[in-house]
Amino acid sequence: DTGVSQDPRHKITKRGQNVTFRCDPISEHNRLYWYRQTLGQGPEFLTYFQNEAQLEKSRLLSDRFSAERPKGSFSTLEIQRTEQGDSAMYLCASSLTGTGNNQPQHFGDGTRLSIL
Amino acid sequence: AQSVAQPEDQVNVAEGNPLTVKCTYSVSGNPYLFWYVQYPNRGLQFLLKYITGDNLVKGSYGFEAEFNKSQTSFHLKKPSALVSDSALYFCAVYMDSNYQLIWGAGTKLIIKP
Repeated sequence: DTGVSQDPRHKITKRGQNVTFRCDPISEHNRLYWYRQTLGQGPEFLTYFQNEAQLEKSRLLSDRFSAERPKGSFSTLEIQRTEQGDSAMYLCASSLTGTGNNQPQHFGDGTRLSIL
Repeated sequence: AQSVAQPEDQVNVAEGNPLTVKCTYSVSGNPYLFWYVQYPNRGLQFLLKYITGDNLVKGSYGFEAEFNKSQTSFHLKKPSALVSDSALYFCAVYMDSNYQLIWGAGTKLIIKP
């Protein structure tokens, strides 16, 4: 069963460095989501793609964050000039396009980012 | 504003006993409701969803959930708990007006042998 794959699983970096994460969704899924999750909290929505188009972006996402899905398949999330507050688990999810929004999202195991 | 509440941070149940994890929601349109489970250092796994139809929804691993429109609740249930059910459980609602899932804060379920 090929699920959502995220790379790397863990990333430790110094404050001020740039980091990039990759997400490979389930192949037939055209929707892709990025979330951030901190300990003891539910996921926070960051951004969402339908195919290669970025359709929605959270107000929580500062200008230091950028996401791409250039060919409508894999996606990257880049954080520039990382800050301590960026330490979190970054989750990627994908789903089919259903009638309305009733298709469940399937999640990867996340990338845990630690800022020193 | 749309919101999802999971009133219990933690639920403790003895193995073999029935379990309930509570979820209430507040939305202005038709809700699409979901339950997910998260094991340590893993992503979230889909358990079940309510879109329309029967109020009792059956999902993975023997879990079920009951949609109650008048009480705006969608509680997760299982007749007989297993130690392996111990995990973090999240309730979420999908609005039909946008593409975002609104998440509860999660409930830690601990099943004791």
